[in-house]
Amino acid sequence: GEDVEQSLFLSVREGDSSVINCTYTDSSSTYLYWYKQEPGAGLQLLTYIFSNMDMKQDQRLTVLLNKKDKHLSLRIADTQTGDSAIYFCAETHHSGGYQKVTFGTGTKLQVIP
Amino acid sequence: DAGITQSPRHKVTETGTPVTLRCHQTENHRYMYWYRQDPGHGLRLIHYSYGVKDTDKGEVSDGYSVSRSKTEDFLLTLESATSSQTSVYFCATLDSRGDTQYFGPGTRLTVL
Repeated sequence: GEDVEQSLFLSVREGDSSVINCTYTDSSSTYLYWYKQEPGAGLQLLTYIFSNMDMKQDQRLTVLLNKKDKHLSLRIADTQTGDSAIYFCAETHHSGGYQKVTFGTGTKLQVIP
Repeated sequence: DAGITQSPRHKVTETGTPVTLRCHQTENHRYMYWYRQDPGHGLRLIHYSYGVKDTDKGEVSDGYSVSRSKTEDFLLTLESATSSQTSVYFCATLDSRGDTQYFGPGTRLTVL
């Protein structure tokens, strides 16, 4: 079945860049997403990339997709304390008539002032 | 943001009691989903709906049932709650283009 894997924890200093990595197994993925979850809150969509793209940039966020290696990364430039959260990678494809989304277990980003 | 609200936001109940969680959306999205979030498991799909009265099972549906009598409401029922159902439950909808899910704020359920 489909699987999405992420490292559990990342610690960076304020002002540095953060890179959160994700690998997935489903070669029929159509979209890949990054969600942010702050404590006690739901998941907030940060950005997504269509599977035929290899890069997408949105202000401080850069998403890189290596479809051959099934590797997705999220780079946050100039990381701020407000970026501290759990980041979920997710992939989606159509299965059995509905859009199936598979989430990774989340990477907890700690930003040290 | 799909205007998704969940109620209640927190609930503590006892083993064996029935519990119903409500998800309400204001965007008229056709697809709605219920997930549970547990440490080390990410989000796992419980049930989903693809229209009024049209629902289907996800990967962890045992012990749960759902109903969708109106487009805007999707109810999740635990017929007889167990401690293994202690979790945070998230509702989501799928936007009209069919490519992005939006999530509600979650319901923290504790079964004692």
